Amino acid sequence: DAKTTQPNSMESNEEEPVHLPCNHSTISGTDYIHWYRQLPSQGPEYVIHGLTSNVNNRMASLAIAEDRKSSTLILHRATLRDAAVYYCILHRGAGGTSYGKLTFGQGTILTVHP
Amino acid sequence: SQTIHQWPATLVQPVGSPLSLECTVEGTSNPNLYWYRQAAGRGLQLLFYSVGIGQISSEVPQNLSASRPQDRQFILSSKKLLLSDSSFYLCAWSVNVKADTQYFGPGTRLTVL
Repeated sequence: DAKTTQPNSMESNEEEPVHLPCNHSTISGTDYIHWYRQLPSQGPEYVIHGLTSNVNNRMASLAIAEDRKSSTLILHRATLRDAAVYYCILHRGAGGTSYGKLTFGQGTILTVHP
Repeated sequence: SQTIHQWPATLVQPVGSPLSLECTVEGTSNPNLYWYRQAAGRGLQLLFYSVGIGQISSEVPQNLSASRPQDRQFILSSKKLLLSDSSFYLCAWSVNVKADTQYFGPGTRLTVL
């Protein structure tokens, strides 16, 4: 399975933008880039996903590098409720033994300061 | 809208006892269903997934098993729990397997003593 690399932790102040990076240099052409986040003692929550183009939704934006070897999750204005572990995951679109499987790494622990 | 339920929320069981965790999904038909577990401070590990009634794929061999007796019901079981089975167990569903979003339940915190 293609692997992702994220910083262990990041910090931000409330109301400021947050850019969470993810490297995925071995990504294949059919891999979608998914982001989930997990609050303490809760199940992961879907945030956003994309394939090649940048994506926006009500929660965040996803910026994907032109060569697709890296991506950045952007929280435009961090709130205290955004403090969580953020996971960047490659989800294979078709074929292969990892078809349909989400492989969670360690993720990035985001701390938001008031 | 779709809802996923898991119970119990917390469970304390003695070593060697059986286990049955239940997951049900409402508001959708023929979902793909998944069981994950998460050790403290670690990422999630996929245990089983199912694309239909009676169809179970195992990702990691261990003393756990899964069953799908109904379309929207997924059960995780064990005949004899080990101390190492203590973990946070999560059920998830998706519309289809192909790169689709997975939606997670609230989880069950299992402690084996």
